Amino acid sequence: GQSLEQPSEVTAVEGAIVQINCTYQTSGFYGLSWYQQHDGGAPTFLSYNALDGLEETGRFSSFLSRSDSYGYLLLQELQMKDSASYFCAVASGSNYQLIWGAGTKLIIKP
Amino acid sequence: EAGVTQFPSHSVIEKGQTVTLRCDPISGHDNLYWYRRVMGKEIKFLLHFVKESKQDESGMPNNRFLAERTGGTYSTLKVQPAELEDSGVYFCASSQSVRGRKAYEQYFGPGTRLTVT
Repeated sequence: GQSLEQPSEVTAVEGAIVQINCTYQTSGFYGLSWYQQHDGGAPTFLSYNALDGLEETGRFSSFLSRSDSYGYLLLQELQMKDSASYFCAVASGSNYQLIWGAGTKLIIKP
Repeated sequence: EAGVTQFPSHSVIEKGQTVTLRCDPISGHDNLYWYRRVMGKEIKFLLHFVKESKQDESGMPNNRFLAERTGGTYSTLKVQPAELEDSGVYFCASSQSVRGRKAYEQYFGPGTRLTVT
């Protein structure tokens, strides 16, 4: 079957750095996306990695290793507003549909 | 630019009834997706439209679900008759019809929370 694994919950302190890991097993792979979702809100696109390596967008960075079927989202200088659920999702086919992980709830403490 | 909108935001219906969910994608986005998240589970793909055509409906649970996209604009997802296991949050997303990274950037609506009692 197809699956994505990510931790269910991560706790960090305001101002710190946190890494959310994602491993995947899918029949096809075009790229790895990350989405943020605040309670009751819409998932919001954060990043998409198609090639190996680290990509940075402001305080957020995303990493991909296709040989290890692994990626992570790195959040720096954590702010209270970053408290949300973070989902990794694999684009497994040319039709752009996404296969989702169960999400990681990020709890930030002052 | 207006985002993806969905209507209604909440719907509570009884088992056996019919419900129709609506999604208005971002103007100009040819790709439209429906996803569903059942309580405690991951978000699951339901189907994908390119303009008015169904590109992939492999995720539709059964024939009680019918999706349409009139004229390649808004889309509706009808559940008839609804069952208890259909409860969950139904998300709609849209993306541009372009090649490369941008095609994988999907914009989501706030979802419709469906409760079947």
